[in-house]
Amino acid sequence: KAGVTQTPRYLIKTRGQQVTLSCSPISGHRSVSWYQQTPGQGLQFLFEYFSETQRNKGNFPGRFSGRQFSNSRSEMNVSTLELGDSALYLCASSLVPGHSGPQFFGPGTRLTVL
Amino acid sequence: AQTVTQSQPEMSVQEAETVTLSCTYDTSENNYYLFWYKQPPSRQMILVIRQEAYKQQNATENRFSVNFQKAAKSFSLKISDSQLGDTAMYFCAFMSLQNAGGTSYGKLTFGQGTILTVHP
Repeated sequence: KAGVTQTPRYLIKTRGQQVTLSCSPISGHRSVSWYQQTPGQGLQFLFEYFSETQRNKGNFPGRFSGRQFSNSRSEMNVSTLELGDSALYLCASSLVPGHSGPQFFGPGTRLTVL
Repeated sequence: AQTVTQSQPEMSVQEAETVTLSCTYDTSENNYYLFWYKQPPSRQMILVIRQEAYKQQNATENRFSVNFQKAAKSFSLKISDSQLGDTAMYFCAFMSLQNAGGTSYGKLTFGQGTILTVHP
């Protein structure tokens, strides 16, 4: 069974641009959650999607958004990029949301904002 | 708001020995879940072990076990017979659940992580 995949793996953007990251969950998994990992702030929850609807959101500005498609693939978008958005963005998939917690993570997308 | 604290930024252990990673958390919730995740260098993060707060019995997964002290809000991870492949960053995480439409949702709060190095 293929694992969680994320594309692209690396991305370089400049301030003010926007970016879209993609996450394909494990086949059959319907919940996708996103996390930002930085050396200073550590790992922070961005949002979770289930059945094409955002179910939970972390404390991030509205520039961070996402969506989920009918095949459970998810995208996150960051508009008007700032230097502080440079981070490793991880997604994780679960069969369903809830107490099992995310079990499988993708390799991440390394975003660098110049 | 929940907080998770890992007080050991780095630890090291000799191969085949036992090591314990510490984690404390702060919450007013009574029903929640605790996790340990492992992030090896340049590799994907994986779930190591999970503990339900309502269960008194400590979770165990092969060489990994936890010491869950609910009253003290402590959740340590013990790795027995350490192997070179255990070298990684270890994150402790907390999750409480909210119900909506018959489905439970939660968001993970992570600690800052502990870098564990296993020496041959």
